Amino acid sequence: KAGVTQTPRYLIKTRGQQVTLSCSPISGHRSVSWYQQTPGQGLQFLFEYFSETQRNKGNFPGRFSGRQFSNSRSEMNVSTLELGDSALYLCASSGGGRTMNTEAFFGQGTRLTVV
Amino acid sequence: AQSVTQLDSQVPVFEEAPVELRCNYSSSVSVYLFWYVQYPNQGLQLLLKYLSGSTLVKGINGFEAEFNKSQTSFHLRKPSVHISDTAEYFCAVTGMDSSYKLIFGSGTRLLVRP
Repeated sequence: KAGVTQTPRYLIKTRGQQVTLSCSPISGHRSVSWYQQTPGQGLQFLFEYFSETQRNKGNFPGRFSGRQFSNSRSEMNVSTLELGDSALYLCASSGGGRTMNTEAFFGQGTRLTVV
Repeated sequence: AQSVTQLDSQVPVFEEAPVELRCNYSSSVSVYLFWYVQYPNQGLQLLLKYLSGSTLVKGINGFEAEFNKSQTSFHLRKPSVHISDTAEYFCAVTGMDSSYKLIFGSGTRLLVRP
């Protein structure tokens, strides 16, 4: 069974640009969550999608957005990049039942550097 | 809302010694608890989880954790560590309220010395 695939693995962008990151969940999983990991703030929840609908959202500005397609693949977009957006962005997929009583499988992440 | 506290940012230990990584949480609802491990330049791998039932949970790589509701703790233990256990360990919690939002602690770096 293939794991969670995130592309690209590494990305360098300039301040003010926008970026799109992609996540392909494990086959059959319907929930995809996104997390930002930085040395200063640690791991923070961005948002979660289930069946193409955003179910949960963290405390991030509107520059951070996402979507999920009918095949459960998800993308997240960050517009008007700031230096502080430099981070490892992790995607997690899980079954998507009523409660999170199953394991969340994480991808290897996308390392975004904003210069 | 939930929060997680990992009191130790770094734990140095000699190879083959036992180790305990501490985790305390707070929540207004019942929770599920998890421990994840992260190796350099990698994502997170689940070590073990507590959903319900027995408070002693066994995971992969010889790790175990005990859920203590009265002390709101979920400490991770291993009786004998290996060099390969050197990594960052994260405790996480999510409410049983249909929220798919994992709240992570700040992490504990386990440094195993020969």
